[in-house]
Amino acid sequence: AQSVTQLGSHVSVSEGALVLLRCNYSSSVPPYLFWYVQYPNQGLQLLLKYTSAATLVKGINGFEAEFKKSETSFHLTKPSAHMSDAAEYFCAVGSAGGTSYGKLTFGQGTILTVHP
Amino acid sequence: DADVTQTPRNRITKTGKRIMLECSQTKGHDRMYWYRQDPGLGLRLIYYSFDVKDINKGEISDGYSVSRQAQAKFSLSLESAIPNQTALYFCATSLGLGGRVVPETQYFGPGTRLLVL
Repeated sequence: AQSVTQLGSHVSVSEGALVLLRCNYSSSVPPYLFWYVQYPNQGLQLLLKYTSAATLVKGINGFEAEFKKSETSFHLTKPSAHMSDAAEYFCAVGSAGGTSYGKLTFGQGTILTVHP
Repeated sequence: DADVTQTPRNRITKTGKRIMLECSQTKGHDRMYWYRQDPGLGLRLIYYSFDVKDINKGEISDGYSVSRQAQAKFSLSLESAIPNQTALYFCATSLGLGGRVVPETQYFGPGTRLLVL
């Protein structure tokens, strides 16, 4: 079985501040991990993904995430927030083995608010 | 043009009515998925299809059915809509490389907002 927990349903930062969105996963086999972003009235778009290569993954719009197996975490960061980063962010886990067969399990989502 | 389209974008219906949500894609992907999004619950998988002849239940399939009419089309039906099916519904696709079951990037449509009165 696989699952994802996103810590904090709402995160608020000032423009220019560090963005940190937390994601912890559970998987019985080596995981594949994804971060998606959803802007208002739109579908989800891929930000970045981890597929067992480098543990530090760089994505679009200046975001990056680090896979830490010992902590079962895949937190999303951005050094300097921009107003356009305001959106809902979803972490997702998948696995090639077990019973999940390529499916993704999504976290509950974190709404990021950026203040001027 | 969008690669994954969903129709309708918004729908209001009444309890007990049958309703169909449609999804079409021009990405040439084999795999298609239906999710529902509820505030605070994230996305939950309703059904998925790895090719035209393959349909599988997700974690919340009760009250729903699907049809994969072609590689490019995947429809979701609510046989008898009820108020707790009010949600935002998303269709997604992924490439699917032969027999591989590696989790792939999924590409999402814009969503259908459904209200059941």
